[in-house]
Amino acid sequence: DTEVTQTPKHLVMGMTNKKSLKCEQHMGHRAMYWYKQKAKKPPELMFVYSYEKLSINESVPSRFSPECPNSSLLNLHLHALQPEDSALYLCASARGLAGSYEQYFGPGTRLTVT
Amino acid sequence: EDQVTQSPEALRLQEGESSSLNCSYTVSGLRGLFWYRQDPGKGPEFLFTLYSAGEEKEKERLKATLTKKESFLHITAPKPEDSATYLCAAPRGRGSTLGRLYFGRGTQLTVWP
Repeated sequence: DTEVTQTPKHLVMGMTNKKSLKCEQHMGHRAMYWYKQKAKKPPELMFVYSYEKLSINESVPSRFSPECPNSSLLNLHLHALQPEDSALYLCASARGLAGSYEQYFGPGTRLTVT
Repeated sequence: EDQVTQSPEALRLQEGESSSLNCSYTVSGLRGLFWYRQDPGKGPEFLFTLYSAGEEKEKERLKATLTKKESFLHITAPKPEDSATYLCAAPRGRGSTLGRLYFGRGTQLTVWP
């Protein structure tokens, strides 16, 4: 099974709201990723966790706060977002950080900030 | 500078009309080349990994090949359900860049009946 699940599928939030995106995988993967994708663009890396520790933060604004409670779960906490943060947010996982490991993506959360 | 470039940006095919998508790369010490399919509003679906020049992989109507400079995704007798954006990606180098992928901008394929 190569499934990564994400909830919710859609999220509409105001600029003063606090919300969280959730991601889960049960493939025993030790690397987990958050990406942001705008229309007609490739996914843009935000954060990478390896063995539940933050490995990469691509200079993402602090209004996005990642959390990895355990090896199967990844959260993205959202606070005081801007309309330009509206996008498809993708979670992915891989066996490890080594470049030869393919990443498996979840279905994404479509976020709209009003 | 390391990068991944896909062509064409968009491709329209009639059902049954075979063609190829191109992904050229200039990544030193390539450790893999990945192909993904992405439907609108959904996450990329993993298709293939190619590791070395000369390698080929097939899945239904799709066949991916790799040379030292580029990869091709051949689509044989496509059907409308093959319509999607096809992305290729290559892992970045070692050290601080480990875990990152170079993505191409994708080829949007439309297959009409």
